Amino acid sequence: AAGVIQSPRHLIKEKRETATLKCYPIPRHDTVYWYQQGPGQDPQFLISFYEKMQSDKGSIPDRFSAQQFSDYHSELNMSSLELGDSALYFCASSTRSQNEKLFFGSGTQLSVL
Amino acid sequence: SQKIEQNSEALNIQEGKTATLTCNYTNYSPAYLQWYRQDPGRGPVFLLLIRENEKEKRKERLKVTFDTTLKQSLFHITASQPADSATYLCALVNYGGSQGNLIFGKGTKLSVKP
Repeated sequence: AAGVIQSPRHLIKEKRETATLKCYPIPRHDTVYWYQQGPGQDPQFLISFYEKMQSDKGSIPDRFSAQQFSDYHSELNMSSLELGDSALYFCASSTRSQNEKLFFGSGTQLSVL
Repeated sequence: SQKIEQNSEALNIQEGKTATLTCNYTNYSPAYLQWYRQDPGRGPVFLLLIRENEKEKRKERLKVTFDTTLKQSLFHITASQPADSATYLCALVNYGGSQGNLIFGKGTKLSVKP
């Protein structure tokens, strides 16, 4: 079965650079969620989108922005990167009607040097 | 704010035994609580969801209980196998958040020895 696809799998950036992470949800899933997981930490909710509109916002820094496109894929844009942004970034998807169950991608490991 | 505590950071058991993991939350009782499995460097994988009006739920070798009086959920893996070795996360919806805005516990790392 198709799963959530995230790209790239690994990303290395320097401080103050920008990064774009991409997420392709499971086909027919209309809701996308972004989570950040620091080393040894639990996943932290960043933001979610339903039908291309932001549906909820968590602890996402102002330096980050995200959007969902007409094909339901989503991108997380991160600017002025800081060392503390180094983390595993997960995207998850669900359908609106069954949004209690999230399907997570394998994540993007971002390293800021 | 709501907090989740998973009592053990690590749990080591022998193959064939039952693993029991604990999840406690501090404030409001959620409408439901979820358990996920996470392998190193991978995304969490949904295992089970239990609602506030359900005492127990089973799926194959997995069993979850939910006690809203104690504000606690227990997660059991019976006849454990080395392949069950992973980190198990408890999660519930953040207060005032939409579905999918989950807060997670820090997880319990389970190691099943042959």
